[in-house]
Amino acid sequence: GAGVSQSPSNKVTEKGKDVELRCDPISGHTALYWYRQSLGQGLEFLIYFQGNSAPDKSGLPSDRFSAERTGGSVSTLTIQRTQQEDSAVYLCASSLMPSPDEQFFGPGTRLTVL
Amino acid sequence: GQNIDQPTEMTATEGAIVQINCTYQTSGFNGLFWYQQHAGEAPTFLSYNVLDGLEEKGRFSSFLSRSKGYSYLLLKELQMKDSASYLCASVSGGYNKLIFGAGTRLAVHP
Repeated sequence: GAGVSQSPSNKVTEKGKDVELRCDPISGHTALYWYRQSLGQGLEFLIYFQGNSAPDKSGLPSDRFSAERTGGSVSTLTIQRTQQEDSAVYLCASSLMPSPDEQFFGPGTRLTVL
Repeated sequence: GQNIDQPTEMTATEGAIVQINCTYQTSGFNGLFWYQQHAGEAPTFLSYNVLDGLEEKGRFSSFLSRSKGYSYLLLKELQMKDSASYLCASVSGGYNKLIFGAGTRLAVHP
């Protein structure tokens, strides 16, 4: 079956531009998570969507970061006015049940801000 | 605050046993995950412990002591393909979000 997919796989942008990253979770999974991973580092939690509940946005590093999940499925992470320190791999994951449950990760979007 | 500690790197020999330790200090603790991540790939689930004790799953076992804030992942009969990063993550807070450690990079040598 299809796993979690993310697009684009790579994104190079100029400092100050806005970017949108997309995540398609596994069909039927109720929970969706965004993380970012800098080179050689662990995963940094960004945001968690669960069903129709208010998302846990406690990991968003600044108000330049926002995320939506439309129709309980596809999610978009938007970074406005990108900075060089935003360069990282952005990983999306989904789980069938609410956390804590096994999370299935997508391949990630590698973002490079020049 | 939230803190997860695990060794940065470990090396081991093919066929041997290795134990990767993880200590945590998190509020609202609700269990601990281990994930495996090969270089350039997404993490994949290995285990989840919420009760004290050892859980065995094939060559991999995971242990948790809630009172000590301590977990370990035990890998037996090491194979070359086990060379990867192993990520420890505690479940924390009302939303049960995962707080990840920086990962332990394991190199298995012949």
